[in-house]
Amino acid sequence: NAGVTQTPKFQVLKTGQSMTLQCAQDMNHNSMYWYRQDPGMGLRLIYYSASEGTTDKGEVPNGYNVSRLNKREFSLRLESAAPSQTSVYFCASSEATGGKPGYTFGSGTRLTVV
Amino acid sequence: GIQVEQSPPDLILQEGANSTLRCNFSDSVNNLQWFHQNPWGQLINLFYIPSGTKQNGRLSATTVATERYSLLYISSSQTTDSGVYFCAVEEVWYKLSFGAGTTVTVRA
Repeated sequence: NAGVTQTPKFQVLKTGQSMTLQCAQDMNHNSMYWYRQDPGMGLRLIYYSASEGTTDKGEVPNGYNVSRLNKREFSLRLESAAPSQTSVYFCASSEATGGKPGYTFGSGTRLTVV
Repeated sequence: GIQVEQSPPDLILQEGANSTLRCNFSDSVNNLQWFHQNPWGQLINLFYIPSGTKQNGRLSATTVATERYSLLYISSSQTTDSGVYFCAVEEVWYKLSFGAGTTVTVRA
C-alpha cells in the first residue's frame, strides 16, 4: 500500500555534483512524472513518461535527464547541479489515458544546491 | 501555454467557517483537478472535475468549463483543512499545469 515512493527525502549537493532521484510506484500505472515546486509557485512539469519505454520533456527540462527503467520506476538525474535547481521535487503516477482521475504523488525530495 | 490563476492567494478562517476558492483558466481543458498540500508537503488529489459538481464530505467543487473557471467550497472548516489548495488543468494529455495555489489557514 506504498503508492509512490521517492528517495532520498532530503539532499544537499555542491554546485557541479551529480545525483539521481529515485521514484517507484506499485499501482501498475502506465504514466509517471517529475515535477519541481519552488516557493510561492505551483508545481512545474520537468519530464514525463506516458508509458514504459517513452519519455518526453515538460515545461522545465533543462539541466535534467530521466530514465524509465521499467513500468514501476522513473528516475531523475541532475548531471551538474546548479543553485537554481534548489527545489522540492515530486514524482507522480497516473493511469495511462489522459483525463482519468488518480494522480498520486510521492512525498517529495527536498534538494538544496550550495 | 495555458494560464491558471487562483484566488485568493491567502485565506485565514476561523474554525467552523465556510469559504470558496476560485480557479480561472485561459483556454479549453481536457481535465481539471483540485489538490490539497498539507503542512508536511504531501499532495492529495481531492477532485477530478472537468465539468459539473462533485461533493466529498465537507468539500465540494464545481467547474463551469464554458466559462473557464472552477470553484472549491470548504464548509464547516477544521484545522486539518489548513494547507495549500492547488488547481491543475490538463490542456493536452499528460501535462498538468498548476496554479500558484491558495494558502488556507484555519484557526481554532
